[in-house]
Amino acid sequence: DGGITQSPKYLFRKEGQNVTLSCEQNLNHDAMYWYRQDPGQGLRLIYYSQIVNDFQKGDIAEGYSVSREKKESFPLTVTSAQKNPTAFYLCASTGTVFTGELFFGEGSRLTVL
Amino acid sequence: GDSVTQMEGPVTLSEEAFLTINCTYTATGYPSLFWYVQYPGEGLQLLLKATKADDKGSNKGFEATYRKETTSFHLEKGSVQVSDSAVYFCAMIQSGSARQLTFGSGTQLTVLP
Repeated sequence: DGGITQSPKYLFRKEGQNVTLSCEQNLNHDAMYWYRQDPGQGLRLIYYSQIVNDFQKGDIAEGYSVSREKKESFPLTVTSAQKNPTAFYLCASTGTVFTGELFFGEGSRLTVL
Repeated sequence: GDSVTQMEGPVTLSEEAFLTINCTYTATGYPSLFWYVQYPGEGLQLLLKATKADDKGSNKGFEATYRKETTSFHLEKGSVQVSDSAVYFCAMIQSGSARQLTFGSGTQLTVLP
């Protein structure tokens, strides 16, 4: 079945450590997105990528980095510079013709100890 | 700038009760509007959408009508079920955006048997 796979589902990290969240899609979608979800704040855009080897900062990119070396993959690194990284992270994708429908993965919950 | 405002939750209803979740938007022009649903432990999925004024989106017994005069897109269901318990997000396509959505803060719905 086509879809988006995020891993790991749960992740614990010590302060000062970088961590990378994986996002893979087999929908042949061009655009991919990373959102952060905090209680009561909805979804905030971290980074997005329209095509391979290109990506743009979203509203809250500080302390995060991404790469888009393959169409199927859009990993997110949460660096030690992110002041409050504990959150639920969602990856999404959409096709060439943007109708407003994003396809989401099941999310990764990061907890910093 | 563009924004989406949802009624604050949480909302708790008994099974078979009538549901309304309010959503209003601020935007340049007339953006396409969406409701997404997030079931526990999952990513978001598109519930319904409307692309122009007076359009009614519907799915799984949920409805929402695009009201230009009140800049609203309220979600309604005549008889909720326990399985409708989820977080509901109102969203719109950002004006002049490169395939981005603006999300509301989400409304948690709990339906009791």
